[in-house]
Amino acid sequence: GAVVSQHPSWVICKSGTSVKIECRSLDFQATTMFWYRQFPKQSLMLMATSNEGSKATYEQGVEKDKFLINHASLTLSTLTVTSAHPEDSSFYICSARESIAGTYEQYFGPGTRLTVT
Amino acid sequence: GQNIDQPTEMTATEGAIVQINCTYQTSGFNGLFWYQQHAGEAPTFLSYNVLDGLEEKGRFSSFLSRSKGYSYLLLKELQMKDSASYLCAVRDSQAGTALIFGKGTTLSVSS
Repeated sequence: GAVVSQHPSWVICKSGTSVKIECRSLDFQATTMFWYRQFPKQSLMLMATSNEGSKATYEQGVEKDKFLINHASLTLSTLTVTSAHPEDSSFYICSARESIAGTYEQYFGPGTRLTVT
Repeated sequence: GQNIDQPTEMTATEGAIVQINCTYQTSGFNGLFWYQQHAGEAPTFLSYNVLDGLEEKGRFSSFLSRSKGYSYLLLKELQMKDSASYLCAVRDSQAGTALIFGKGTTLSVSS
């Protein structure tokens, strides 16, 4: 099946710094990727929808200037958490769809655990 | 808007059958998904329903009734490794192609 990778798998950073998380579709092209955030014992919350070559669409309440998303190619989307604070500590998961009108399955990456100290 | 409800926790014993229910309200509907998630890991796909009826895949089955806004995931011959969180997710056509997740049901299987 289709594989999505994320890098890094975990990261610890100091408050005020920025962290970049990469999401790659390894064996398929993904015109659309999604970024989710999951706090402990809670479900996945959609942060934004990332379309290749265009600006991301952010969900209500998600600051687009704080969570920068770039989808420069059909196999790579990045999420940059800028000026991170401890409350940004969370599990960040990306997912990708293989095609627009084909399989409806979304493939999830393994997630990135961010800890801000 | 969207609203997806499922029980918070369920318990069962090895070898038993368990049914996890999910009700949803969405502006549009373009498919319902079930995912399994072990602690600290990403969700893994279990099933997809877009038409009414039952989809069977091994020990797991999923049912959908669009008129009732209702789905269930049926797990048979439970094993200890089935202890996990089970997430019901809906694709709301008016929300683009993103999946909207329920809060998940934590299933604990005991021997």
